Parts: sequence; C-alpha cells; structure tokens
Amino acid sequence: DAGVTQSPTHLIKTRGQHVTLRCSPISGHKSVSWYQQVLGQGPQFIFQYYEKEERGRGNFPDRFSARQFPNYSSELNVNALLLGDSALYLCASSAGPSTGYGYTFGSGTRLTVV
Amino acid sequence: AQSVAQPEDQVNVAEGNPLTVKCTYSVSGNPYLFWYVQYPNRGLQFLLKYITGDNLVKGSYGFEAEFNKSQTSFHLKKPSALVSDSALYFCAVSRAETGANNLFFGTGTRLTVIP
Repeated sequence: DAGVTQSPTHLIKTRGQHVTLRCSPISGHKSVSWYQQVLGQGPQFIFQYYEKEERGRGNFPDRFSARQFPNYSSELNVNALLLGDSALYLCASSAGPSTGYGYTFGSGTRLTVV
Repeated sequence: AQSVAQPEDQVNVAEGNPLTVKCTYSVSGNPYLFWYVQYPNRGLQFLLKYITGDNLVKGSYGFEAEFNKSQTSFHLKKPSALVSDSALYFCAVSRAETGANNLFFGTGTRLTVIP
C-alpha cells in the first residue's frame, strides 16, 4: 500500500519564478495538509484541505495557494519566489478533518530558490 | 495560542542507556500530542500520539511518552537506546477538538546515540 507521495523530490528555482508541488495522499485519505520546514526549524502549517475544501490556512502570504482535486491529490503553488521560500515542503495525509486522526507525512520536496 | 518547547537542542546518550527527549506545551483546553522522528533528507515519521485515555502512550520502535497534564509535558522515552535512534525528534501539539486542523511543532531535538 503506497504511502504519501510527493513530487518532485528536489527542484531549484530562480527568484521571481513560480513553482508547483504535488502530493498524493494515502488511498482512502481525504485530507491533505501542507507544511514548510526551513532548515533548523520545526515544520510550519501552510494549508489544510479536506473533501476538496480549504479547512485551514497558516500565516503565509497570498503568494502561497493550494487546491485539492476530486481524487484527493493536492497541489501547492508558490508565486514570485523569494530566497526565503527555500525549504523542505511536507505534505501530510489524514483520514479525517482534524489532527486527532493523525497525520502521515511524505518525504517532502526540497525547494531551493537562487 | 498553541506552542511547543523542546528545551534541548541536542541530547547525547550512550548505546544501551535509557533516553529522554523533553517536550512541554501550551494550548487552550485539552491537547492532542504527537512525536515524530526525522532522518536526514527525509520527511517526518510518526512515533506516537496522545489523544485521550491512558497517560502512558506506547509507540513505534520501543518508544513511549507520558502525558503529564499538571506539568504540561509529554516527554519521549526509551529504555535502551540504539545507534539507529540517532535522528531529529519533533514534538507537536494541537487543540483537542474536532475543528483542530493544524499541528504546532517544536524546534526539534537532535538525538545522538554514542556506540
């Protein structure tokens, strides 16, 4: 049974560009959350989607957006990239809408902005 | 507001000795509490969680944690450390409610088990 799949695993972008990160949750899971982990820090919450609706948003600028598709996969989009957006972006899959269901994290996408 | 404190950036322990990684939290109301482990260039792996019930929670790879409401702590423990336990450990908290949809993580504790 496949776990949480994220793509790509690594990418390098230039300041001002746009990036799209993708996540496929565990089969049967309807919730996807996105977290940003800057080097040396703990992950920070960006978005949560459940049943294709946004259920939560962290303290990130409007350059960050996301969506969830009918098959429950998700995309995280970041516009006008800044050097400070360099981080590991983690996707978490859950069977339900709240943290009590528990999260399974993917291996992440390492984004480097130069 | 919710927050997590992991007071030790680094913990060193000899192989075979017991290990403790400390975590204290702040949350309005009751908490859900979690421990995750992260190996180099990898995502987070779930170890254990406290939702309700018994204060002593047993998890993966022989780890356990004890929920202490009066001290607002959720320390991670293992009776006998292995070299393979060397990794970065994160404690996380959220409110214990059906609408809680985000985890607040600590800054992590790097555990090194010395052979």
